[in-house]
Amino acid sequence: EVQLVQSGAEVKKPGESLRISCKGSGYSFYTYWISWVRQMPGKGLEWMGSIDPSDSYTNYSPSFQGHVIISTDKSISTAYLQWSSLKASDSAMYYCARRASDSTGYPFDYWGQGTLVTVSS
Amino acid sequence: DIQMTQSPSSLSASVGDRVTITCRASQSISNYLNWYQQKPGKAPNLLIYTASSLQSGVPSRFSGSGSGTDFTLTISSLQPEDFATYYCQQRYSTPETFGPGTKVEIK
Repeated sequence: EVQLVQSGAEVKKPGESLRISCKGSGYSFYTYWISWVRQMPGKGLEWMGSIDPSDSYTNYSPSFQGHVIISTDKSISTAYLQWSSLKASDSAMYYCARRASDSTGYPFDYWGQGTLVTVSS
Repeated sequence: DIQMTQSPSSLSASVGDRVTITCRASQSISNYLNWYQQKPGKAPNLLIYTASSLQSGVPSRFSGSGSGTDFTLTISSLQPEDFATYYCQQRYSTPETFGPGTKVEIK
C-alpha cells in the first residue's frame, strides 16, 4: 500500500527555522516526484515546488522560490520542506503529494495527511 | 501564470441530484486538467486526470470533460459522501495552479 506519512504539527515563533518531513512507503521512492502544497486556513491549494528524488532536481513556484527549500534523502525515502526564518504568514497546512513525473499532465495520485504549521509570537 | 476559475463557488444539492462544476483556464491548457475532492480536515483526493480519465477506485458517478479552456466535473447522482470541496488543477505549465474550489453542501 502506497503511503506518504508526514511529521507532526509544529508551533514556532517568527524568525525560527523549521523542517517538516514526508516519508514514502509501499513504492519505489526514487521513481516518483514529490511536491509540496500549501493550504492556508480556510483557503485553497497552492503548489510550492517539486523534487525528483532520483537526483534531487527541484523546481519551485516563483511565489515560494527563495523562501523555502525542498530536499530529499532517498536512503530513507523521505522528502523535506524547510524554512530558515518563519513568518506568521507561513501558518498553514502543508501537504506532500506524489506524482509519476514532472512532465506535463501528471497528477498528484497520493497525498500525505498534512502537517499543520503555526507561527505565532 | 495560468489563472484558474471555478463556478459556482458553492452549491447546495440533495442526495440523488446531478451536479456540474465548471473550471475555466485563462489560456488553453489542452487536456492537462485534474480534479480533486477534499473533505474537511482531510488531504485532497484525485478524482479525474487529463480532463476525463477516472482515477482507479473512484466511483463511476464522477466524470470529467472538456479541453482547451473550459472543463466540467459532473457527479451523476450525488451521494452523502460526496459533500466536499472540489478543486481543478492545471498541469500544462509551471507554476501549476489550482482553481479556488467549489464547495458542495447539503440542501
